Amino acid sequence: NAGVMQNPRHLVRRRGQEARLRCSPMKGHSHVYWYRQLPEEGLKFMVYLQKENIIDESGMPKERFSAEFPKEGPSILRIQQVVRGDSAAYFCASSRGQVSTDTQYFGPGTRLTVL
Amino acid sequence: GENVEQHPSTLSVQEGDSAVIKCTYSDSASNYFPWYKQELGKRPQLIIDIRSNVGEKKDQRIAVTLNKTAKHFSLHITETQPEDSAVYFCAASTEGFKTIFGAGTRLFVKA
Repeated sequence: NAGVMQNPRHLVRRRGQEARLRCSPMKGHSHVYWYRQLPEEGLKFMVYLQKENIIDESGMPKERFSAEFPKEGPSILRIQQVVRGDSAAYFCASSRGQVSTDTQYFGPGTRLTVL
Repeated sequence: GENVEQHPSTLSVQEGDSAVIKCTYSDSASNYFPWYKQELGKRPQLIIDIRSNVGEKKDQRIAVTLNKTAKHFSLHITETQPEDSAVYFCAASTEGFKTIFGAGTRLFVKA
């Protein structure tokens, strides 16, 4: 049973470009969460999604950031017109979603570097 | 808004000693409290969790206690080993809402 998958593992972008981060949840999991982690810091909640629905996006900047979890395929976190401050590790986690307090299992993360 | 405070930010212990990390949360409706261990460059991994209907849970050298009245919960690691060195995160989760993580505790176990 494969765990949570994220790709790419490392992503380098120049300022102004777009970054697309993908997350495939564990088999049987219908809820996905995205977190951002700066070096030496904690996990900051960004967005919580279930299939075709955003449940809570209160941690995601209103501009340049968007997330989706389509009926088919992975969840995608999209960052438009990236700036240096977007450089961070982005982790996704998934849970069964039977209740929102189900255990979350993390993927390996995508490390975004903006030049 | 909801908040989880975690202390200490850094903890250094001698191999074989115990380590205790404490967290407090603000949302009295929180009912699920997981703990994650993150090694350098790796993903956070769940090590133990507790739900609000239980006051204590133990798994080998790791135990977690919960005081709902005081809104405190703690992680206890006994007989620490060098491989326990990592960053530990507590979290509080509320039904229907997001999970809030503490800022992390960097644990060093000296051989």
